[in-house]
Amino acid sequence: RKEVEQDPGPFNVPEGATVAFNCTYSNSASQSFFWYRQDCRKEPKLLMSVYSSGNEDGRFTAQLNRASQYISLLIRDSKLSDSATYLCVVNMGQGGKLIFGQGTELSVKP
Amino acid sequence: DAGVTQSPTHLIKTRGQQVTLRCSPKSGHDTVSWYQQALGQGPQFIFQYYEEEERQRGNFPDRFSGHQFPNYSSELNVNALLLGDSALYLCASSDGPTHTEAFFGQGTRLTVV
Repeated sequence: RKEVEQDPGPFNVPEGATVAFNCTYSNSASQSFFWYRQDCRKEPKLLMSVYSSGNEDGRFTAQLNRASQYISLLIRDSKLSDSATYLCVVNMGQGGKLIFGQGTELSVKP
Repeated sequence: DAGVTQSPTHLIKTRGQQVTLRCSPKSGHDTVSWYQQALGQGPQFIFQYYEEEERQRGNFPDRFSGHQFPNYSSELNVNALLLGDSALYLCASSDGPTHTEAFFGQGTRLTVV
């Protein structure tokens, strides 16, 4: 079983749609959680950290359920510029090693 | 303020050859981690360098080795290249070995033929 699992997609949605990505992680000792965004053939960039209380940054909302070992990302009012691969990332709290899911591809169409 | 820089951006090597990739961390960062990203996959952790020593290592063979210099820059060396080593190699820097906010360079795309 992979340490971090995501639906690879692709998710094809129209502009203005709401889209949700899900992610599960296998190790209950995981400490920190993130969503990264990666544009085609570019480097990953931190989108947001994920906290147990949930957090929101504009159109983006991230949730963490430690009991279910589940992380989610909700994007409201999708823009063309949101088209990218979204990577779910976990840190075990033993140094800076980041464990990435395989990524979920999002394509927002006009 | 320069971000993380990697060189070269693209590289083509033949099976069995050796390759060295280079990374300069973001200004103020002292820790460098290397990741391998195969096509269609998420990045996989190779190792982390801090204070010129390898601090953590992922599930990669000894053919993968590294070095960190006093100025915090780093090299990734891969010996006896295999076709399966073809990937995007990403360098990430952070402020300390336990700090999880990492900044990535643009990567080196290695093709082994």
